[in-house]
Amino acid sequence: GESVGLHLPTLSVQEGDNSIINCAYSNSASDYFIWYKQESGKGPQFIIDIRSNMDKRQGQRVTVLLNKTVKHLSLQIAATQPGDSAVYFCAEHYGQNFVFGPGTRLSVLP
Amino acid sequence: DAGVTQSPTHLIKTRGQQVTLRCSPISGHKSVSWYQQVLGQGPQFIFQYYEKEERGRGNFPDRFSARQFPNYSSELNVNALLLGDSALYLCASSLFHRANQPQHFGDGTRLSIL
Repeated sequence: GESVGLHLPTLSVQEGDNSIINCAYSNSASDYFIWYKQESGKGPQFIIDIRSNMDKRQGQRVTVLLNKTVKHLSLQIAATQPGDSAVYFCAEHYGQNFVFGPGTRLSVLP
Repeated sequence: DAGVTQSPTHLIKTRGQQVTLRCSPISGHKSVSWYQQVLGQGPQFIFQYYEKEERGRGNFPDRFSARQFPNYSSELNVNALLLGDSALYLCASSLFHRANQPQHFGDGTRLSIL
């Protein structure tokens, strides 16, 4: 489940397995969504985006799914690698700015 | 190609002081946004600037201000610093200010208030 503050939800997966990171967004009027990856000491790195008129979009090893009915976004990472270990944020565009979720820490086990 | 660059990378200030943080967007990007990221949380929106005008403002006090220059670079100013202002300050740039534009972030300025 989701938590806030210093206790980030953590997902641990075996190297080579698929990862699914979930995000519940806040506003039904949000029209654009982005997934970011943030490594320690770095800024958020753009992974993939999706517009509200779509329900699925694929990139290289990543897929984003959007379910507007329940305001849910997910990021699927295929064949997870050690370099995928990071904190992942979803961001929704609402009004004039982006609103970020609390983040999920992905830990890849050897 | 150079990404978003921010300076300085780290800064230590004391309560009551003032600070100025700088950001250069990706070449060709005209919109700059500022975010505050407290440890363990997602970034929080502070400002967006486009064509030197403020286009959006988050829920931050008037001690926070910003501006954008003709070359699209930007500065964030924070006055009367408080301990709670300790955070990573992130700058993001995008081509335009409208929706459906991916924002690309710099690596931030780590501000510590003593």
